[in-house]
This record gives sequence, structure tokens and C-alpha cells, in this order.
Amino acid sequence: DVKVTQSSRYLVKRTGEKVFLECVQDMDHENMFWYRQDPGLGLRLIYFSYDVKMKEKGDIPEGYSVSREKKERFSLILESASTNQTSMYLCASRSDRVGSPLHFGNGTRLTVT
Amino acid sequence: QQQVKQSPQSLIVQKGGISIINCAYENTAFDYFPWYQQFPGKGPALLIAIRPDVSEKKEGRFTISFNKSAKQFSLHIMDSQPGDSATYFCAASRGSSNTGKLIFGQGTTLQVKP
Repeated sequence: DVKVTQSSRYLVKRTGEKVFLECVQDMDHENMFWYRQDPGLGLRLIYFSYDVKMKEKGDIPEGYSVSREKKERFSLILESASTNQTSMYLCASRSDRVGSPLHFGNGTRLTVT
Repeated sequence: QQQVKQSPQSLIVQKGGISIINCAYENTAFDYFPWYQQFPGKGPALLIAIRPDVSEKKEGRFTISFNKSAKQFSLHIMDSQPGDSATYFCAASRGSSNTGKLIFGQGTTLQVKP
């Protein structure tokens, strides 16, 4: 069974802090993704990575950056957290096989005060 | 821009009833349409998916109906059970190799009353 693990379930940070959200997958998947989930807006793609050290912007990359130094680990970075980044953040991974589904972690609830 | 519109936002169904969630998309290049199910405290998980070469796909009590000309697809849950209570997301993507770059709908919270 694929496991995608997000390091924190809940996180509270102050405005202006640098925030790191970590995600690890154990299935040797090539592709990893960061989404944010907000009520009424569904899931929106922030960034994704299709290989180590490779990244592409999603639909809402502003205010975020990512890092993928190892295949199993994908980090989301908030350079200077703002209150409008309070949200649920979901990491996902997927193999390169055509038709393979996204496997999500259980999410990190980030509150920026 | 919301390329996938989902309705209703919330739904209450009696046990044994039929739950219906609808989605509409704009981009005719979309060719993969999955539904994800999310329980409280968990990440979404793939429930069922369809490609536009078929009009319907059924897996157990769950059926996707697809109308290419109307650019709409829907999820039907037959004989709804309290254990089906969850949030459901439709999604769409372009290109069979891009199934990870999904555009999600807004989500529907389903409550099935015993």
C-alpha cells in the first residue's frame, strides 16, 4: 500500500515566518504534488515535481517554493507566511504509469496568525 | 478561473437513497475524469474514473455518467449508506500522461442519514 506521509498534522506559525512542510512517499513514485484545500474552492495545485530537482508551477504558486533533493521527499516552503496562506495542505504522489492515480497524504492544517 | 464546476455544495440523503453529484467542465481537451472521496482527517482517495470514449462506468454502487456534448459528468451512489458520508471531488485533466495535474471541482459534502 502506498504511503504518503506529511510530517505535521497541525502547524501554527506567525506572519512573516519561513515555513517548511515536508512530505515523504515510500513507493518510488516519480511525480509529487502539493495542493491546498479550501472550503468552496476544492483542491488547487501549487507546485509539482516530475523528477529529482525538477519542479513546475501549478495554478497558484505565488508565495510558495518547493524543493526536491531526493526522490522520496518533496518540501513546500512558505518564504514569508501570510494570513491568507492559512489552509489545509495536501501532498500527493503518482507513478509515471499511464492512468495511475494520485495518492494523497492526510494533510497539514496550517494556521498563520 | 474555475474550469470544473461541481454541485451541489452539500447533500443530505436517507439511507438507501440515491446520491447524485454533478460536474461541468469547460476545456474540451480534458480526457480523464476521476472522482475522489475524502473522509474527515484523511486525504482524498481515488473512487472511480472515466475517459470520454464511454458514456458510463459502474463499480459496485458507484456509477459515473458522462455526457461529452454537454461537457458534464456525474457521480451516482446507489443504495447510499452512512459509511458513504464524506466529501466528494470531481476532477479533470488533459492528456493521459498528465493524470496528476488535475483540476478539481469545489467539492460536495455528502451526509447519509441512517
